[in-house]
Amino acid sequence: GAGVSQTPSNKVTEKGKYVELRCDPISGHTALYWYRQSLGQGPEFLIYFQGTGAADDSGLPNDRFFAVRPEGSVSTLKIQRTERGDSAVYLCASSLRRQETQYFGPGTRLLVL
Amino acid sequence: AQKVTQAQTEISVVEKEDVTLDCVYETRDTTYYLFWYKQPPSGELVFLIRRNSFDEQNEISGRYSWNFQKSTSSFNFTITASQVVDSAVYFCALSEAKGNKLVFGAGTILRVKS
Repeated sequence: GAGVSQTPSNKVTEKGKYVELRCDPISGHTALYWYRQSLGQGPEFLIYFQGTGAADDSGLPNDRFFAVRPEGSVSTLKIQRTERGDSAVYLCASSLRRQETQYFGPGTRLLVL
Repeated sequence: AQKVTQAQTEISVVEKEDVTLDCVYETRDTTYYLFWYKQPPSGELVFLIRRNSFDEQNEISGRYSWNFQKSTSSFNFTITASQVVDSAVYFCALSEAKGNKLVFGAGTILRVKS
């Protein structure tokens, strides 16, 4: 079946702009996760959804970052007033249930100029 | 707090050599899960294996094998007879049963030369 998909694959924006990154999880997966990967590092957790609700947002770096999953499937990560330090690859993962194996999408490479 | 350490930043081997990637973890939970993921140059993280803390049996899958030792908090990964296609960044990760996230190590870059 289809894996996790993410759009866009690349996004270039200017400092101060607003961006939205989209994740479409594997069909039937109730758990969805966002991670951020900076160059040369491992992915770092941002937020976890169980169904429609954000069950754990402890990894969001500040209030410029927000994510939604209104119908329990597709999720959107929103970044306001982008800063150059936000440049990274944003990875989405989904799992059948919490604590099951997470399967990752190809990521969105965000560059803030 | 949970932590994963991959002390080897980069390893270079010649094709057909065996190579072991080290992973040491820290957790206070008695129930946890350990993972290995592969990230080829294309960038997508590919799941390789998941072990739970109660299962210390070593696992073999083709040329891949994993050695889990709770006594030393290690979960090492060995590739036998390495191939050029094995070149990638390999990540070890930990998930606590009470938690909601994967905690990754910094990764080991594996270069296999022909």
